[in-house]
Formats: sequence, structure tokens, C-alpha cells
Amino acid sequence: GQQLNQSPQSMFIQEGEDVSMNCTSSSIFNTWLWYKQDPGEGPVLLIALYKAGELTSNGRLTAQFGTTRKDSFLNISASIPSDVGIYFCAGQLRGAQKLVFGQGTRLTINP
Amino acid sequence: DTGVSQNPRHKITKRGQNVTFRCDPISEHNRLYWYRQTLGQGPEFLTYFQNEAQLEKSRLLSDRFSAERPKGSFSTLEIQRTEQGDSAMYLCASSLTGGTVNTEAFFGQGTRLTVV
Repeated sequence: GQQLNQSPQSMFIQEGEDVSMNCTSSSIFNTWLWYKQDPGEGPVLLIALYKAGELTSNGRLTAQFGTTRKDSFLNISASIPSDVGIYFCAGQLRGAQKLVFGQGTRLTINP
Repeated sequence: DTGVSQNPRHKITKRGQNVTFRCDPISEHNRLYWYRQTLGQGPEFLTYFQNEAQLEKSRLLSDRFSAERPKGSFSTLEIQRTEQGDSAMYLCASSLTGGTVNTEAFFGQGTRLTVV
């Protein structure tokens, strides 16, 4: 089945640093989504992308839908302690309803 | 609207017992999804409903698993004869699709199942 490769698996950064993570796939996706999950909670939607090349921001978060439709990127600028958590990319194939998730990027911030 | 609601939040059961989880989607959302998430992994799709019809089931959904959405509103996920490998977080999500409206999937807080 489809798989998403998300990297890095974990990041340890200082507060105030910028963060970049990405997701790649062997399949072409019609939609890319980025979620954040806190311990013991469900994923919370951050950004949704629908067109190849699309660049969308949500506050300090910016995500891009790769031009090949097989990848996506998430950037967080000027990280703050509440950014700590696990970030998941998710892709949706054309005509499909289910989401395919990456393995997650665990973000840890040192104050 | 309070979002997607799942009950219980936590469930500990002995191997071999049956368990049932409930999901109340965002009101008026016609699609409801069940996912399973094991430790250190992303959520994996199990099944989804459009209104009361179950339209897709993953091969992960063995014959011990059954999901229902009898009136197109809340849904239940039952696991019979639980095994230790069933220990996971079970996530429910809902979305609205129809006409010009097509929302993304919003997730509940999940039910964490531990089989001992």
C-alpha cells in the first residue's frame, strides 16, 4: 500500500529556531495535510494543501505542496515551547477518502 | 459545536473480552472515519462511513472488528475476543462532503485501549 516517508523522525532545537520537516511518497497525492498531535490527544489539523506548488501559511507555520505532487514540506518559524509535539503529514489520493499518514516528526524544544 | 467526541478515553480489558467504543462526529458531518494508531506510528485507516453506509474497510479490520453507524450520526467500533496486539489508540474523525462543501477530516481525542 501507499507509504509516506517523513523526516526527520525527531528534532531537538533551541527556542526561537526555525524548523523544517518534509514528507515524500512514491504515489501522487491530490491533497496534503499537516497535523500536530500532543500526548494522549488526537491529531489537530494545521494546514491543508490542494494544488501542486501551493504555499499556505497559518501564523508561524508555512507548508508547501510539492510540484511533483509526491512531497510536501512544513516550516515553523521562531519556535516557541508550545510547538512541542509530534507533527504528521497525511496524503489523500485522488478519489480516495482515507488519509495515509507519515510516521511523524517529534519536536522537542530546549528553552 | 464541541468537535468530535469519543468515549471512553481509556479502556483496559483482559485478553479475550469484547470492547465497544463510541464516536460522536461533528454535527451535520456526513462522513465518519476510524483509524488505529500504535505507539510511535502515524494513524492507520480502518474504515469509513458516508451517512449510515460503510463504504470502505481496510484489510487491518479483521473479522473480530465491526463498526456501525446505524442512523448516520454516532458510530460504534466493537472488537471481539481482544488480543494484546489490539492495544492501540483508536481515533475517530469526521468530515462534510456534499455540493460545494468539502471539509477536511477533524479528529477526536481517541480511545486508548490496553489489553492485558
